Amino acid sequence: GQQLNQSPQSMFIQEGEDVSMNCTSSSIFNTWLWYKQDPGEGPVLLIALYKAGELTSNGRLTAQFGITRKDSFLNISASIPSDVGIYFCAGGNTGANSKLTFGKGITLSVRP
Amino acid sequence: DVKVTQSSRYLVKRTGEKVFLECVQDMDHENMFWYRQDPGLGLRLIYFSYDVKMKEKGDIPEGYSVSREKKERFSLILESASTNQTSMYLCASSFGGRALDTQYFGPGTRLTVL
Repeated sequence: GQQLNQSPQSMFIQEGEDVSMNCTSSSIFNTWLWYKQDPGEGPVLLIALYKAGELTSNGRLTAQFGITRKDSFLNISASIPSDVGIYFCAGGNTGANSKLTFGKGITLSVRP
Repeated sequence: DVKVTQSSRYLVKRTGEKVFLECVQDMDHENMFWYRQDPGLGLRLIYFSYDVKMKEKGDIPEGYSVSREKKERFSLILESASTNQTSMYLCASSFGGRALDTQYFGPGTRLTVL
């Protein structure tokens, strides 16, 4: 099945730094989601985006739904050690029995 | 808050055994999903269900079956477990309608097949 493009596979940053991640697709989506997965746990929804151009914040996290509807961006500001984890993007299209398409995830490490 | 629970966090089984993984959600969601997660491969959809007694194959259904007898419960069955089914299994659920695509995940079951 199709997967979204997330790269690089891993990112290493210093505590306090900002970090940006993006997610791209060859297909259009009308929903973009960002999840975070802590080690040994299931993914937890961070931000949901439903409209092209939409910019939504959740604390230190900000995500944007690209205007082409083929990409999305997640920014984390002033990183802290508990930001460590895997960040997944997912795209979907509203409709009967629709599924999500996931990226492979970016593993974020934060150095104290 | 949405709550999705999975019957076991860790499970060890032997090759050839029949394995049941249970998932329960308490938010009256229409849709339920089973994924497996492997390093470097991301999340891969095994099966999903959009209604009671309904099921649809995902991207990698081979070697698996599912059962949805009640709206809140979705079971994944490995008829004859094999070592290549060692993986992290994640269940998710979502509403129908506008929020259709927002899936909420359980904590996962790490299955080891010896």
